[in-house]
Amino acid sequence: GPKVLQIPSHQIIDMGQMVTLNCDPVSNHLYFYWYKQILGQQMEFLVNFYNGKVMEKSKLFKDQFSVERPDGSYFTLKIQPTALEDSAVYFCASSLLLGGYEQYFGPGTRLTVL
Amino acid sequence: QQKVQQSPESLIVPEGGMASLNCTSSDRNVDYFWWYRQHSGKSPKMLMSIFSNGEKEEGRFTVHLNKASLHTSLHIRDSQPSDSALYLCAASSQGGRALIFGTGTTVSVSP
Repeated sequence: GPKVLQIPSHQIIDMGQMVTLNCDPVSNHLYFYWYKQILGQQMEFLVNFYNGKVMEKSKLFKDQFSVERPDGSYFTLKIQPTALEDSAVYFCASSLLLGGYEQYFGPGTRLTVL
Repeated sequence: QQKVQQSPESLIVPEGGMASLNCTSSDRNVDYFWWYRQHSGKSPKMLMSIFSNGEKEEGRFTVHLNKASLHTSLHIRDSQPSDSALYLCAASSQGGRALIFGTGTTVSVSP
C-alpha cells in the first residue's frame, strides 16, 4: 500500500537545540499532518498543512514549532528551541483529500531531548 | 475531557476467541470513525472505517456504528496472536482535518 517515509527514525538532542524532522508523504497526497505520541500515551494531533499553509493546529503546536514543504520536497517539522517535554514519537501522516479519506502514517521519529 | 473514549483499557482474549472493543465520541460534529491498529513500536495502520449507521465486515473484523449515540464498536473473531496490539479509535468531522484519537485498547491474545 501507499507508504509515508520519515527520517531520521531516532534523534537525540540537548534541550535548547533545534531539530528538524523529515517526512516524505505519499506522492499524490495533498494533505499532510503531524501527530505526537508520548510513550504509553495517546496519539495527539499537532498540525495539518495544505497547499503551502497551516490549515489547522492544536494547542500542542507551540510557537517553537513550524512546518513547511519547500518546493514539494520533504514535509518538515522544526522545533526551535526544544524542551524536555518535546520528547515523544512524532508521526507524519498524509491523505489524498479530507473527509472520508484515510490518513496514512509513517513509521515515526523518536525524539529524545536531554 | 476526552472527546473520544475507549473501553476497555485492556483486554486478554484466548486464541480463537472474540474481542470486542468500544468507542464513543462526545463531539456531535463527528462524521467519520476510524479504527487503527498499532503494534508495539510501529505506526498505526487503518483497519476499518465506518461512516454510516449499521455494520461493516471485512474478514475477521466487524465494526458497528450508531450515529445517534456516536458509538462504534470493533469485533475481532477467531483472534490470533498477531492481533495483539494497541487498537486506536479515531473520529473526524466533514470539514475537519484532525483525527481525534482515543486512549486505545490494548489487546493481548494468549496462545
